[in-house]
Amino acid sequence: AQSVSQHNHHVILSEAASLELGCNYSYGGTVNLFWYVQYPGQHLQLLLKYFSGDPLVKGIKGFEAEFIKSKFSFNLRKPSVQWSDTAEYFCAVGIGSGNTGKLIFGQGTTLQVKP
Amino acid sequence: DGGITQSPKYLFRKEGQNVTLSCEQNLNHDAMYWYRQDPGQGLRLIYYSQIVNDFQKGDIAEGYSVSREKKESFPLTVTSAQKNPTAFYLCASSSTGANVLTFGAGSRLTVL
Repeated sequence: AQSVSQHNHHVILSEAASLELGCNYSYGGTVNLFWYVQYPGQHLQLLLKYFSGDPLVKGIKGFEAEFIKSKFSFNLRKPSVQWSDTAEYFCAVGIGSGNTGKLIFGQGTTLQVKP
Repeated sequence: DGGITQSPKYLFRKEGQNVTLSCEQNLNHDAMYWYRQDPGQGLRLIYYSQIVNDFQKGDIAEGYSVSREKKESFPLTVTSAQKNPTAFYLCASSSTGANVLTFGAGSRLTVL
């Protein structure tokens, strides 16, 4: 069965530190890749997405992610985190070329940024 | 503002009772989804519907039921057959041909 694995369950950083959250998926075919973020008390919202083209995608609030097909990975990065980045981050994969909206989510990573 | 409204935000239920969670969207999206969120397990798909009067089971449909009589509405019933119903339930929608999801604020169900 297809699955998505996020390497870190809980990450604690100080402000201005660099962030990288790992995401790997198990599927050899066409995928659409997403990172969603859930800030405390807010809706789950899209951070960035990859459908095709340049494997380095940029999202909101200075986040970026790189799709490495050979590694089945889609890691999320930010050069310098802020206290407001404290949230739960979910990697998600849409399987196949059809856009059904059925996504497989990773377990989530809780990021805590200390001021 | 366009969006997804879920109600109630918090719900308590006794064992053996069915409960229905409401999800309404005014985004004119064709597809709607129900996910369940548990700590450390991410989101898991319960049911989804790509068009009115049609819906499909997701990965964890047992103990749940849905209906899609209107484009705007996709209620989820948690039945007494669901063995572990205490969870956070998220409704989402997407437009045709796109799998970018818009989520509601969620409903937290606690079984006493």
